[in-house]
Amino acid sequence: GQNIDQPTEMTATEGAIVQINCTYQTSGFNGLFWYQQHAGEAPTFLSYNVLDGLEEKGRFSSFLSRSKGYSYLLLKELQMKDSASYLCAVRDRRQNFVFGPGTRLSVLP
Amino acid sequence: DSGVTQTPKHLITATGQRVTLRCSPRSGDLSVYWYQQSLDQGLQFLIQYYNGEERAKGNILERFSAQQFPDLHSELNLSSLELGDSALYFCASSIESVRDEQFFGPGTRLTVL
Repeated sequence: GQNIDQPTEMTATEGAIVQINCTYQTSGFNGLFWYQQHAGEAPTFLSYNVLDGLEEKGRFSSFLSRSKGYSYLLLKELQMKDSASYLCAVRDRRQNFVFGPGTRLSVLP
Repeated sequence: DSGVTQTPKHLITATGQRVTLRCSPRSGDLSVYWYQQSLDQGLQFLIQYYNGEERAKGNILERFSAQQFPDLHSELNLSSLELGDSALYFCASSIESVRDEQFFGPGTRLTVL
């Protein structure tokens, strides 16, 4: 079967750095995506990784290791507005998107 | 505002009924995706269309069907509705580039009573 694991909840302090991990087992691999979803809103795209390594985009970075079936999302200089759920998703070999359960991040002052 | 529109915003109906959800992608986007999000199942990929053709099919029930029209808008049809179909249904669109960044619409909240 296909499976994506993420921590259910995380808490961090404003101004700090937080790393959200994602491990996956899917039928093939055609890219990994991270989305941010605020409560009651639609997901918004954060990053896309298809090759191993780190992709940096402002305060957000995403890392991928295909051999380990592992990714992480790194958020720097945390702000209160970063409190949201973060969804990890993998596109498998049939081009289907498999989503993890999401990590609810709470940023405290 | 992502540029993706979905109608209606809310829909309340009864078990056994049929409904149609509509999605208009961002201008220039050829690909449309449908997702279902419920509290116990999380976000589930249903189906993708690219320029009118089905591109990928996920966890879509046989009671559900979708299509993309020549003007690129898409409709998701849900029939023989059950209580468990109550969920938020999102549509997303993308240009279909390598990065495949998807832009999500605001969603349609379906309640089946």
